[in-house]
Amino acid sequence: EAGVAQSPRYKIIEKRQSVAFWCNPISGHATLYWYQQILGQGPKLLIQFQNNGVVDDSQLPKDRFSAERLKGVDSTLKIQPAKLEDSAVYLCASSDRDNEQFFGPGTRLTVL
Amino acid sequence: LAKTTQPISMDSYEGQEVNITCSHNNIATNDYITWYQQFPSQGPRFIIQGYKTKVTNEVASLFIPADRKSSTLSLPRVSLSDTAVYYCLVGPTYGGSQGNLIFGKGTKLSVKP
Repeated sequence: EAGVAQSPRYKIIEKRQSVAFWCNPISGHATLYWYQQILGQGPKLLIQFQNNGVVDDSQLPKDRFSAERLKGVDSTLKIQPAKLEDSAVYLCASSDRDNEQFFGPGTRLTVL
Repeated sequence: LAKTTQPISMDSYEGQEVNITCSHNNIATNDYITWYQQFPSQGPRFIIQGYKTKVTNEVASLFIPADRKSSTLSLPRVSLSDTAVYYCLVGPTYGGSQGNLIFGKGTKLSVKP
């Protein structure tokens, strides 16, 4: 069974630039999550989708972050404009039951 | 919100049993307890999940007392490859209400030869 795919694996941008991350969940998984993990901390949930609807986006900085999951499969997370404090690993996970999540390898973002 | 508290770090030696305790005083009736393992430069990986009493699988055991305000992850006979960060996560299995999925800071387990 193929795992959760994410791209790119690494991204370096200047502050105030825009960036987008892509996630392809495990086939058939209805729930998709985006997390932000700052070095030395646990993952912080940014947004949770159930199929193509948003379940929880309470910790998503909506003034600069946006996410979509068209057709209930792939998802894109965008940051516009990026700030220095956005430097982190962005993890995508999917599940067919809540709390048993399968994580992708993550995208390491560096904002200069 | 059911927040969790874990020790920041633990040290052990190969072959020993390791027990990591997580406190979750505000756990809700419909919350389950789940543990994840994370190696450097990788995403977390599911280890075990339980609701009450004891759960065992091929890699770990999870002990949950009757009041469910804490839980203990038990790793039997650890090896060097068990060196990782372990997260305790509390939340509903079929959740959807805001802010239910919270990872704490985790416990960094170091296994020495």
